[in-house]
Amino acid sequence: GDSVTQMEGPVTLSEEAFLTINCTYTATGYPSLFWYVQYPGEGLQLLLKATKADDKGSNKGFEATYRKETTSFHLEKGSVQVSDSAVYFCALRVAGGYNKLIFGAGTRLAVHP
Amino acid sequence: GAVVSQHPSWVICKSGTSVKIECRSLDFQATTMFWYRQFPKQSLMLMATSNEGSKATYEQGVEKDKFLINHASLTLSTLTVTSAHPEDSSFYICSARRQGGNEQFFGPGTRLTVL
Repeated sequence: GDSVTQMEGPVTLSEEAFLTINCTYTATGYPSLFWYVQYPGEGLQLLLKATKADDKGSNKGFEATYRKETTSFHLEKGSVQVSDSAVYFCALRVAGGYNKLIFGAGTRLAVHP
Repeated sequence: GAVVSQHPSWVICKSGTSVKIECRSLDFQATTMFWYRQFPKQSLMLMATSNEGSKATYEQGVEKDKFLINHASLTLSTLTVTSAHPEDSSFYICSARRQGGNEQFFGPGTRLTVL
């Protein structure tokens, strides 16, 4: 079935370091891909998305490119800040039906000054 | 806009009792709401999808008689865990989608602990 695999955390970085969180997926058809972020005590928020191959989603300095050939959607940021500390979830949306989301396990990011 | 709340944020109950969790869309009408369950350090797993005024659609392996879902209005869905047992302890998260939209807006979650 459809699934999402993302790198285990926690990821610990110093401020201004480069961030990569790997995400790969398995899906039938052509899913849309998402990154969600969950700050402490809050609900999941959509960070960025891409709906077709080679699309690049970007927001708040984060980027991810939909790579069909490698079935990947890795999240990157060139210079992280302490305020980026959160849990990041990669997800895919299956077309049709109720457009349900399938999530990865989440990766906790801790950024230190 | 697009704020979703959940109540309670945490609950502790005794084994055998029932617990109701509410999910509300505060500033929009949600024709579809989703209920997820999250175990520690694991993915959010979709439990069921509910549309206002109709029966919920449960994912494979989810007991519909144990996890009762009601979506009686466009701003409120409830999840009732009936005859709760310790293995039902988990983090329950809801999301809501407005009519004609694709994006799901998530609530902050409810932590259930069954003693």
